[in-house]
Amino acid sequence: EAGVAQSPRYKIIEKRQSVAFWCNPISGHATLYWYQQILGQGPKLLIQFQNNGVVDDSQLPKDRFSAERLKGVDSTLKIQPAKLEDSAVYLCASSSGESGNQPQHFGDGTRLSIL
Amino acid sequence: DAKTTQPPSMDCAEGRAANLPCNHSTISGNEYVYWYRQIHSQGPQYIIHGLKNNETNEMASLIITEDRKSSTLILPHATLRDTAVYYCIAFHDYKLSFGAGTTVTVRA
Repeated sequence: EAGVAQSPRYKIIEKRQSVAFWCNPISGHATLYWYQQILGQGPKLLIQFQNNGVVDDSQLPKDRFSAERLKGVDSTLKIQPAKLEDSAVYLCASSSGESGNQPQHFGDGTRLSIL
Repeated sequence: DAKTTQPPSMDCAEGRAANLPCNHSTISGNEYVYWYRQIHSQGPQYIIHGLKNNETNEMASLIITEDRKSSTLILPHATLRDTAVYYCIAFHDYKLSFGAGTTVTVRA
């Protein structure tokens, strides 16, 4: 079974530029998550999708971050404009559902550096 | 908010069992306990989860106390590749809330 795929693996941009990350979840997984992981900390949930609908985006800085999951499969996360504090690893995860008995499986993330 | 408490770090010897403790005294009766680990430059890897009963899979065993206030993850034969940050998480409100985890170093 293929895992969660993310691209690019690394990205370096200057502040105020825009950037986008892509995620392809495990086949058949209805629930998709984006997390932000700052160096030295655990991942923090940004947004959760169930199929192509948003379930929770309470921690997403909506003035600069946006995410979509068209057709309920792949997803993109965008930052515009980027700030220095956005330097982090952006992780995508998927699960077959949102119940407590359905583990989330993570990709290896995109490491974003803001200059 | 993280509802679990873990030691910040621990060492263990290669080939020996590694027992990783976690306290979750405020966990609710229907909240699963999850364990993930994260090796440098990789995403978190799912290890195991449980609700009330002890669980075992090909990676580890999870022992949950009868009162559910604490649990222990057991890696039966630690190898150098098990060096990682291990996260114990109470699945709450449909979310995984990661804390700082335990940095486990396996030494030869």
